[in-house]
Amino acid sequence: QQPVQSPQAVILREGEDAVINCSSSKALYSVHWYRQKHGEAPVFLMILLKGGEQKGHEKISASFNEKKQQSSLYLTASQLSYSGTYFCGTEGHYGQNFVFGPGTRLSVLP
Amino acid sequence: EAGVAQSPRYKIIEKRQSVAFWCNPISGHATLYWYQQILGQGPKLLIQFQNNGVVDDSQLPKDRFSAERLKGVDSTLKIQPAKLEDSAVYLCASSPNGDPFLAKNIQYFGAGTRLSVL
Repeated sequence: QQPVQSPQAVILREGEDAVINCSSSKALYSVHWYRQKHGEAPVFLMILLKGGEQKGHEKISASFNEKKQQSSLYLTASQLSYSGTYFCGTEGHYGQNFVFGPGTRLSVLP
Repeated sequence: EAGVAQSPRYKIIEKRQSVAFWCNPISGHATLYWYQQILGQGPKLLIQFQNNGVVDDSQLPKDRFSAERLKGVDSTLKIQPAKLEDSAVYLCASSPNGDPFLAKNIQYFGAGTRLSVL
């Protein structure tokens, strides 16, 4: 079952912050976040395992609320290079059935 | 370290023709994935291999799609016959984790093959 992402698209100015949400109707074992630039392959950003931990990667961090089956990706002080489509991917309870969400298109303008 | 290699990069065929895609994963990666990505959508998993065995092919249209991973390394994905709705980018990814049931399957993607069916 495909996770739901919101918003579908967001436009930012350089230096602004953004939050992208991912939610699932099934119990999750882990959530992955990938970024795909136009015409390129998806690139791994981070993985969060159940337990509500928060991961960080420079100015990009994420949280995972296991009880709500939700994850959020936080982009702070956005840079032009952050532009692209962000996909969450979810794994089922035993690490199976990996499914990507529909994506959130992020555009960072100068 | 060399990345995931895919070929061809582009392919244009007519409907009802057959086509094959090739993928060479990162050396030592046990898990290999094939995805179909239609324009504007997220990648859809077609098949997942663990070494040369199939872990998940529940979304593979088996009447026309087939995939194999001989010797647990390279893989080919075939479509026969192709339909208009098969037009998409076919992505191959590999993961270093040898156990598909451990949720640390960080996936490394190839550049993809863009298929156009006319």
